[in-house]
Amino acid sequence: GDSVTQMEGPVTLSEEAFLTINCTYTATGYPSLFWYVQYPGEGLQLLLKATKADDKGSNKGFEATYRKETTSFHLEKGSVQVSDSAVYFCALSNFNKFYFGSGTKLNVKP
Amino acid sequence: DTAVSQTPKYLVTQMGNDKSIKCEQNLGHDTMYWYKQDSKKFLKIMFSYNNKELIINETVPNRFSPKSPDKAHLNLHINSLELGDSAVYFCASSQVDRTTWPSTFGSGTRLTVV
Repeated sequence: GDSVTQMEGPVTLSEEAFLTINCTYTATGYPSLFWYVQYPGEGLQLLLKATKADDKGSNKGFEATYRKETTSFHLEKGSVQVSDSAVYFCALSNFNKFYFGSGTKLNVKP
Repeated sequence: DTAVSQTPKYLVTQMGNDKSIKCEQNLGHDTMYWYKQDSKKFLKIMFSYNNKELIINETVPNRFSPKSPDKAHLNLHINSLELGDSAVYFCASSQVDRTTWPSTFGSGTRLTVV
């Protein structure tokens, strides 16, 4: 069945460091891919999305490219801030079903 | 401020009872959803409303009835609860009309039927 696998955390970085959180997926057909972010005490919020191969989603300095050949959708940011500390979830949508990864906690230190 | 809030967080009830789960969003979104998480593997969409109009109604038992009094609220009423209804139910909303992917999820309601 469809599934999403993302790197385990926590990931701890210093402010202004480069961020990569890996995400790979398994799916039939042509899924849409997403990154959601959960700040402390809040629900999941959509960060960015890509609906077809080679699409790049971007928001708030974060980017991810839908790579069908490697079945990946890695999240990147060139310079993280303390305010980016949160849990990041990779997700896949296929036939009205959402599959979430297990989440990666990011800690950014000043 | 909580963007999408659902109550209660936990609900334990006996078979045959009728229960409701409430959902409210303060984001000004037009589209709201209910998802059921059967396992930790995926959330399956149950219903979607756009500005109080039902736009997605997946194959769920008719014991489940959504009610949207206004576009900020989408409540889920369940009649004659069964053991198999035990799951975590998530409310969500989206700022994009008639889309199948939400932008914001609530924190979930864990329903246990005994």
